[in-house]
Amino acid sequence: AQSVTQPDIHITVSEGASLELRCNYSYGATPYLFWYVQSPGQGLQLLLKYFSGDTLVQGIKGFEAEFKRSQSSFNLRKPSVHWSDAAEYFCAVGRGGSNYQLIWGAGTKLIIKP
Amino acid sequence: EAQVTQNPRYLITVTGKKLTVTCSQNMNHEYMSWYRQDPGLGLRQIYYSMNVEVTDKGDVPEGYKVSRKEKRNFPLILESPSPNQTSLYFCASSLGGLTDTQYFGPGTRLTVL
Repeated sequence: AQSVTQPDIHITVSEGASLELRCNYSYGATPYLFWYVQSPGQGLQLLLKYFSGDTLVQGIKGFEAEFKRSQSSFNLRKPSVHWSDAAEYFCAVGRGGSNYQLIWGAGTKLIIKP
Repeated sequence: EAQVTQNPRYLITVTGKKLTVTCSQNMNHEYMSWYRQDPGLGLRQIYYSMNVEVTDKGDVPEGYKVSRKEKRNFPLILESPSPNQTSLYFCASSLGGLTDTQYFGPGTRLTVL
C-alpha cells in the first residue's frame, strides 16, 4: 500500500540554525508531493508542492524542498529558522497519482530553542 | 474574505446521536474534502467531492456520510457516532483538486462519549 513516512516525530533546533525535515514515500511513479504546516494561530497551510520539472521547489515563509526520485524522498529545508516556525509539519502525497486523494505522513513537530 | 468555515467548532455528544458538521466555502471551488486528525496518525481523508453531486470515499469512510448538493457546502454526517470517531475534523477546498492550493477550515473538535 502506498505510504508516507516522516521518521522524526519531534525535532529541536536553535533559532537561526538550519532545518531539514525528512519525508519518504512509497510509489512507483512520481506522485504529487506536498508539505503543509499546522500552527495554532494559522491552522493548516500549504507550504509548497511538487508535480514535475525542477526538483528543487520554493515555498512560502522561506522554505524549500527537494524531490529525489532515487531516494523516494521530498525533504523540507530552511536555511535559518525563526521562533515563529515552531509548528507541526506534514508531508503528503497524492494517492496513485490522483488529483483528489491525499495520503498524509504522521507529522514532525518542530521545537525552536531560543 | 475568502474562507472555509466549519460549524460547530467544538461538539461533545453521546454514542448513537446523529450529528452533522457543516462546511462552507465562498471561493467557488469545485473540490472539497474532509479529513480527520488523530495524534500520531497525521490526517486521513474521509470523503472528497470533485463537484456538485460527485463524491467518493477516501481512506477512512466507514461511519460517515457526505452530500454535495450545492457547490459551496459539503456537510459531514455521522449517523450513529461511536467513541472511535472522537477526533479533530478538517474540511478543505480547492479550485479543481490537489494541483490547486487547498484551503482548510479551522477544524471541529468532536468528542463522542
